[in-house]
Amino acid sequence: GESVGLHLPTLSVQEGDNSIINCAYSNSASDYFIWYKQESGKGPQFIIDIRSNMDKRQGQRVTVLLNKTVKHLSLQIAATQPGDSAVYFCAENKVDDYKLSFGAGTTVTVRA
Amino acid sequence: ETGVTQSPTHLIKTRGQQVTLRCSSQSGHNTVSWYQQALGQGPQFIFQYYREEENGRGNFPPRFSGLQFPNYSSELNVNALELDDSALYLCASSLGPGGQDTQYFGPGTRLTVL
Repeated sequence: GESVGLHLPTLSVQEGDNSIINCAYSNSASDYFIWYKQESGKGPQFIIDIRSNMDKRQGQRVTVLLNKTVKHLSLQIAATQPGDSAVYFCAENKVDDYKLSFGAGTTVTVRA
Repeated sequence: ETGVTQSPTHLIKTRGQQVTLRCSSQSGHNTVSWYQQALGQGPQFIFQYYREEENGRGNFPPRFSGLQFPNYSSELNVNALELDDSALYLCASSLGPGGQDTQYFGPGTRLTVL
């Protein structure tokens, strides 16, 4: 079964606010985590990744936090914009595994 | 844009037919992975190709097969199509095999089986 899941299937955010998308994973052997954004009719777009030897990683307007103690991953988007409306997936991989395992996704809708 | 391209964009087939989907990897990438994404779900790993060999396989039956060519492009073949094969088929390319290199996805091929 799936080893990666998201806490909430949908998230509605006011434009300009910060968004937090959460993800729980169950496989303690996972050591690489990725966030993807998928807009309607498109393939998943890489946002940011983090390895298990890190707790936090920042990109442009995005921050990923990893809490290995409780097996929790989150994506924070600063100053959410209408273009951030999409489905967000977390994915995980463990060493010597070929595949990325994806959760079901969180649909983010940005309100004007 | 990732530089990963897929063709065709859309495809309609009937049950029992065979289909071939194509993927061109990003420049410099030698590994291609294929995923199936059913409506409303996350992508599911089908298999990965590296140096023209299948490098790993998910929980898909043998009627799902693939090829990788010397230029690293790849094909996904599905025989004896079933209604449940209707999905978005995604390919992703990466610098190397396994899952520890970032996988960049193409736009996908939407397959409908009637």
